[in-house]
Amino acid sequence: AQKVTQAQTEISVVEKEDVTLDCVYETRDTTYYLFWYKQPPSGELVFLIRRNSFDEQNEISGRYSWNFQKSTSSFNFTITASQVVDSAVYFCALRRGYGGSQGNLIFGKGTKLSVKP
Amino acid sequence: ETGVTQTPRHLVMGMTNKKSLKCEQHLGHNAMYWYKQSAKKPLELMFVYNFKEQTENNSVPSRFSPECPNSSHLFLHLHTLQPEDSALYLCASSPPSGGAYEQYFGPGTRLTVT
Repeated sequence: AQKVTQAQTEISVVEKEDVTLDCVYETRDTTYYLFWYKQPPSGELVFLIRRNSFDEQNEISGRYSWNFQKSTSSFNFTITASQVVDSAVYFCALRRGYGGSQGNLIFGKGTKLSVKP
Repeated sequence: ETGVTQTPRHLVMGMTNKKSLKCEQHLGHNAMYWYKQSAKKPLELMFVYNFKEQTENNSVPSRFSPECPNSSHLFLHLHTLQPEDSALYLCASSPPSGGAYEQYFGPGTRLTVT
């Protein structure tokens, strides 16, 4: 079975603090894809990153960085020097690489991040 | 218009009403999706369309009826809904659903069933 766990329901930080959002996934597939999405109060999910299961290289994009570790089935997301505009709900998601239901994105329950000035 | 658009953004309907949600994508994608986002549940996939053909129905009650007339438009027809159907309904699109592609989401329709 496929499953995504985001254990942190809510996180509150003060602006300029670094914050890490945890994501742990479960799958028996050898090929799969992991995603992070941001959902601001407006409601639209904004795509942030896709990671393939065979590429464990970590990625940095500006203040955002992602740490993918297959050994612990984790795909954590770090925001450096957080800003108020980072306040949103962040979702981690998993998708199978082959087989039935390839289109299915399996989402975690999300982590609500509040960044206070 | 760019990206994925959804109308209406807000909808209040009674349990005996019939209404439709509309989604349009301007990205040249071939796959479209309906998701339901309730307050206390993870995002749930409802339907998947690939090149206008329905490829996934995630055990959705028949009071939700999707329609995909072409690769750019997706509708969700609603009738005799229940209060527990109140939720944010999100539409998404991607290149063909079998590939390693991310999905792009619209802003959603906030549905309230009274």
